[in-house]
Amino acid sequence: DAGVTQSPTHLIKTRGQQVTLRCSPKSGHDTVSWYQQALGQGPQFIFQYYEEEERQRGNFPDRFSGHQFPNYSSELNVNALLLGDSALYLCASSLQGSVYEQYFGPGTRLTVT
Amino acid sequence: GESVGLHLPTLSVQEGDNSIINCAYSNSASDYFIWYKQESGKGPQFIIDIRSNMDKRQGQRVTVLLNKTVKHLSLQIAATQPGDSAVYFCAENPNYGQNFVFGPGTRLSVLP
Repeated sequence: DAGVTQSPTHLIKTRGQQVTLRCSPKSGHDTVSWYQQALGQGPQFIFQYYEEEERQRGNFPDRFSGHQFPNYSSELNVNALLLGDSALYLCASSLQGSVYEQYFGPGTRLTVT
Repeated sequence: GESVGLHLPTLSVQEGDNSIINCAYSNSASDYFIWYKQESGKGPQFIIDIRSNMDKRQGQRVTVLLNKTVKHLSLQIAATQPGDSAVYFCAENPNYGQNFVFGPGTRLSVLP
């Protein structure tokens, strides 16, 4: 049973650049949520995708955008990177637009210099 | 705003002892909670969940207790092992399945 996978594992970008992170949900799941986890803190909800639409959004600026594909995989895009965007970006999957039994991937560590 | 907090930021226990990690939540409308374990450099790992219509749920070596009266959640780990060393988060769902609010976490250290 394939779990949640994310790519890349690590990424280093420069301020002002753009980045795309990818996520494949757990087998059988159709909902993807993205979280940002700063060092030493709990994950912060960015947004959730279900049926290829953004269903819920946390308190993040429009520089953060996403997409979900017909196969349920998802991308997180961040434009005009700031130093403060450096964090572990986590993808979580679940079923039918809910977060019940939500499972996380290993994350992508983004460093902005 | 809504928040989930933890009473103890760090907890050290002897190997073989039982551990209790506590969590206070602020939204009385929250109907679902998950405990996650996060090891260094990894994503949070699902441990156990509980819905608000229950006050106790048991898994393998773990038990979650929910006290809605005082908005308190706890995770009990029996016979704590070195592999249990990690940061533990409780996550609260305040709006019917749409997203979670996480607290800052509690670091559990298991002493030999």
